[in-house]
Amino acid sequence: TAGITQAPTSQILAAGRSMTLRCTQDMRHNAMYWYRQDLGLGLRLIHYSNTAGTTGKGEVPDGYSVSRANTDDFPLTLASAVPSQTSVYFCASSDSGSQGGDTQYFGPGTRLTVL
Amino acid sequence: RKEVEQDPGPFNVPEGATVAFNCTYSNSASQSFFWYRQDCRKEPKLLMSVYSSGNEDGRFTAQLNRASQYISLLIRDSKLSDSATYLCVGRPSGTYKYIFGTGTRLKVLA
Repeated sequence: TAGITQAPTSQILAAGRSMTLRCTQDMRHNAMYWYRQDLGLGLRLIHYSNTAGTTGKGEVPDGYSVSRANTDDFPLTLASAVPSQTSVYFCASSDSGSQGGDTQYFGPGTRLTVL
Repeated sequence: RKEVEQDPGPFNVPEGATVAFNCTYSNSASQSFFWYRQDCRKEPKLLMSVYSSGNEDGRFTAQLNRASQYISLLIRDSKLSDSATYLCVGRPSGTYKYIFGTGTRLKVLA
């Protein structure tokens, strides 16, 4: 199985432009997540979704939006990119209930540079 | 105070050495804990889950101390291929969120 795929692998984007980062999983996991990773700050949660049709805000949601129309896809949209959104973005999924214990699986990441 | 804290390192150790990392967490409601490994510019991958009774997987041993709110990772007989960043992760009960530490960098030297 492919697991989790992300597209594009990398992107250079002009400030003010919009962009959607794509994430697809084929494991039928109920929960999906978007993180950004910056040097010295570790992984920070942007948005998450417990199940199709629901989303929630993470630690750093401003400037980002998500949707979860179905189980497999969880796109992340930057409506008007700013240089501070330059980062590596990881999508993840887990087959977890609220009781915990299950592993998160990560996609290969999207390296985004906003100029 | 960060919810999950790790010493960033780097820990430089010779091949064959034993090295241990600690990670402290502040949320006593954290229920599940994990160690992930991340290679440079790659995605994090699960190394092992951490159980209250402690668990071992080959050269790797993880321990959880709820009273002192820390988890540890012990690597025995270090290999060059163990060089990576090790991420400590906690998951509070009743939530879908995972809290990541900033990682501890390990370099195993020939």
